[in-house]
Amino acid sequence: DAGITQSPRHKVTETGTPVTLRCHQTENHRYMYWYRQDPGHGLRLIHYSYGVKDTDKGEVSDGYSVSRSKTEDFLLTLESATSSQTSVYFCAISARDRGEEEQFFGPGTRLTVL
Amino acid sequence: KNEVEQSPQNLTAQEGEFITINCSYSVGISALHWLQQHPGGGIVSLFMLSSGKKKHGRLIATINIQEKHSSLHITASHPRDSAVYICAVMRYSGGGADGLTFGKGTHLIIQP
Repeated sequence: DAGITQSPRHKVTETGTPVTLRCHQTENHRYMYWYRQDPGHGLRLIHYSYGVKDTDKGEVSDGYSVSRSKTEDFLLTLESATSSQTSVYFCAISARDRGEEEQFFGPGTRLTVL
Repeated sequence: KNEVEQSPQNLTAQEGEFITINCSYSVGISALHWLQQHPGGGIVSLFMLSSGKKKHGRLIATINIQEKHSSLHITASHPRDSAVYICAVMRYSGGGADGLTFGKGTHLIIQP
C-alpha cells in the first residue's frame, strides 16, 4: 500500500462549511494525486502535486484547493462545501520518481455534504 | 466521447468461466493500468502495461499500442474475483506525471 493513509475516513458536514482532507505517505514519493469517485462518472482527477509547493489542476478542480508543504502530506480543501462534493475521495501516489509507473491508492474518505 | 472506454459495463458469469474485459483509449499514453476494487473497498493495482503482455496467477493483461486497446483476462474464474475492474491510462506528457484518466469500470459477478 506504499504507506498511504487518509484522514478522516468518514465525514458528514453541512453545506457552506470548510473541509480539509489529509493524505499522508511514508515513502517520500514525489507525485501525489487526489481523485474523486462518483457513480456514473467513475474516478476523476481533482488536483495533483509533483513536489513540495508544486501543484496543478486536474479535470474537476473547481471548488477545491490543495497544499503540499511537506513531501509526506498532501491536503485537499473544500473552502465551502456543496452537496455536489458528496463523494468518495482517494489519494494516490506514483512511483514514477523511481522509474516505475505504478500507482498506489489510499483507503479513501467518504464525504457527505448535507 | 470518453477518452477511455470499457466493455462490458456489467458481466455475470459462472465459476470456472474464462473472463475478458476490454479497454479502448483515444489518447497517447505512457502506460495503462488495470485496477481492482471490491465492494466498499479500496483500489488495488493489478497491472501496469506499456507494451505486450503480463501474467499474474490467473490474471493476464495484454495491450496493443497501435490499436489503442487492452484486455484483462481471468482464467478459471472464482467468486472471490467478483469486483469492479477499472482501466486507466497515464497520458504521455513529456516527462510529467499528470494523473490517470479512468474508464467507468466493469462490474464483474462470478456466481458459484
